[in-house]
Amino acid sequence: EAQVTQNPRYLITVTGKKLTVTCSQNMNHEYMSWYRQDPGLGLRQIYYSMNVEVTDKGDVPEGYKVSRKEKRNFPLILESPSPNQTSLYFCASSLMGLAEQFFGPGTRLTVL
Amino acid sequence: DQQVKQNSPSLSVQEGRISILNCDYTNSMFDYFLWYKKYPAEGPTFLISISSIKDKNEDGRFTVFLNKSAKHLSLHIVPSQPGDSAVYFCAARSNTGNQFYFGTGTSLTVIP
Repeated sequence: EAQVTQNPRYLITVTGKKLTVTCSQNMNHEYMSWYRQDPGLGLRQIYYSMNVEVTDKGDVPEGYKVSRKEKRNFPLILESPSPNQTSLYFCASSLMGLAEQFFGPGTRLTVL
Repeated sequence: DQQVKQNSPSLSVQEGRISILNCDYTNSMFDYFLWYKKYPAEGPTFLISISSIKDKNEDGRFTVFLNKSAKHLSLHIVPSQPGDSAVYFCAARSNTGNQFYFGTGTSLTVIP
């Protein structure tokens, strides 16, 4: 089954404790992206990757890092999480050139 | 500053009637516009898209209209069904093909 998976689905952590949210897709998509969804703000793009070893900032990259060492994986790293990063995070992927993206189920992160 | 706006947070429609969801944008450099549907506890799923060189795209019960001069697009659902009840996000792609901008979403309730 074609899908985008994210882990964990739920995470509660404390300020400053480094964490990684994993994202994997099995559709051989070149393009991958991370979004956060907040009430009243919709989805905002954090980082995206056009292919392996090619990443770039989206609209709200501050406080986040990403890496793309393999085509299928695109982890989101919060090296020192803060309460304002409490949010619902979505990973998405697509074939290069196509606008429609496939989204993962989301990761709800709470930073205390 | 929000480049894609959905000014109606919610909409209620009787089953069988037409649902019209609206979206405005500010950047004339977008080349594709998309609508996504989102159920609770799931990621957004792609619904329909339209290229900036077209003014209408139809897929079954769903039609998207684009008015470039007004920087406005709308999604029409005819006839509306209870299973259409969800949050609908409007999105736009930059003409570089890399970045995406989402609206804040409209929660549609179709009343049986």
